[in-house]
Amino acid sequence: DADVTQTPRNRITKTGKRIMLECSQTKGHDRMYWYRQDPGLGLRLIYYSFDVKDINKGEISDGYSVSRQAQAKFSLSLESAIPNQTALYFCATSGTSGRFNEQFFGPGTRLTVL
Amino acid sequence: AQSVTQLGSHVSVSEGALVLLRCNYSSSVPPYLFWYVQYPNQGLQLLLKYTSAATLVKGINGFEAEFKKSETSFHLTKPSAHMSDAAEYFCAVSDTGNQFYFGTGTSLTVIP
Repeated sequence: DADVTQTPRNRITKTGKRIMLECSQTKGHDRMYWYRQDPGLGLRLIYYSFDVKDINKGEISDGYSVSRQAQAKFSLSLESAIPNQTALYFCATSGTSGRFNEQFFGPGTRLTVL
Repeated sequence: AQSVTQLGSHVSVSEGALVLLRCNYSSSVPPYLFWYVQYPNQGLQLLLKYTSAATLVKGINGFEAEFKKSETSFHLTKPSAHMSDAAEYFCAVSDTGNQFYFGTGTSLTVIP
């Protein structure tokens, strides 16, 4: 079974709709992240969380919100989706045993906003 | 502030030829550097990471990277390209391990 799972894998929605993307992990990591990937722009950080009570904005948090329901679950919401939020969204986790822990990524959610 | 620049958004090599993907970083403190690979329709997987233990880092699938502080570079190389190496490659930097900053990616095409 995958260590980091994302649901849904694909979603098409309309402008103005509320959308929630979910991420679950079985790695036991405290740290979780949400990124979006756009062609030519690489990955940009939306939000990150170091534990259930710790939520931080990333580089491009406007138009997004998150919820850390448990250590293993981190959800990303688009309150009112707009077409320029069409992108590939990745959840990632990392451990806290050292300064150089790498991140582990989910398979991604491809979101299209019409 | 930290940032990563990947020179060349697309690189094409012949099968069996040397692969060289360039990454330059900017960091105010000694950085931790990573290379990730993304195959089509998949998430990112770690290829290798530099954590100051050794300047030449060996990763999976025959890839390696050399940290050069004087050049602020962390280029990724593989002596002989294989068709299965075709993918997108991302360089990333972190100072404290709290946030990671990714480059814009390099798409590698391997020509048979």
